[in-house]
Amino acid sequence: DVKVTQSSRYLVKRTGEKVFLECVQDMDHENMFWYRQDPGLGLRLIYFSYDVKMKEKGDIPEGYSVSREKKERFSLILESASTNQTSMYLCASSAYGRGVAPYGYTFGSGTRLTVV
Amino acid sequence: QQQVKQSPQSLIVQKGGISIINCAYENTAFDYFPWYQQFPGKGPALLIAIRPDVSEKKEGRFTISFNKSAKQFSLHIMDSQPGDSATYFCAASNQGGKLIFGQGTELSVKP
Repeated sequence: DVKVTQSSRYLVKRTGEKVFLECVQDMDHENMFWYRQDPGLGLRLIYFSYDVKMKEKGDIPEGYSVSREKKERFSLILESASTNQTSMYLCASSAYGRGVAPYGYTFGSGTRLTVV
Repeated sequence: QQQVKQSPQSLIVQKGGISIINCAYENTAFDYFPWYQQFPGKGPALLIAIRPDVSEKKEGRFTISFNKSAKQFSLHIMDSQPGDSATYFCAASNQGGKLIFGQGTELSVKP
């Protein structure tokens, strides 16, 4: 089975800290995505990447950055954590390259981040 | 135009009943419409998907109905069971590659 592994299930960080959320997939997928999940707002795309060292902004990139130095790893960075970034963060990957409909995203189990 | 609107936000159904969740979209370029199921503490997982060249797709107790002219699609869960209690997300995409998700529906099936 394809596995998408997020390094932490729960994180508590202080306002102003730099936070790293790590995601690793083991199926050689080209595409990787970071979403945040909030009640009533669904899944909102923060950043995505179609290839190593490539990144594109999603719908809510403000306050976030990403890094993809290796194909299997996609990191989300909160440059200076704020309380409004308290949320569930979900990483996903899919096999198809840019321009092809992304059948079957595989999601990680999520990281619940609390910023105090 | 990129939004997918999902309703209801929450749904309570008796065991054995039919659960219906609806989604609407604006972008006529969308060509892939999946539904994802998420249990507490887990990430969403693909449940069933449809393309706009068919009006219905059935997999076991789960059926997607698709109305291209109305730009709407819905998930029907027949004979709903307590084990179906989860959050359900509809989504849509076009050949640009990204999935656009609806707001989610929290389904509770009462025994």
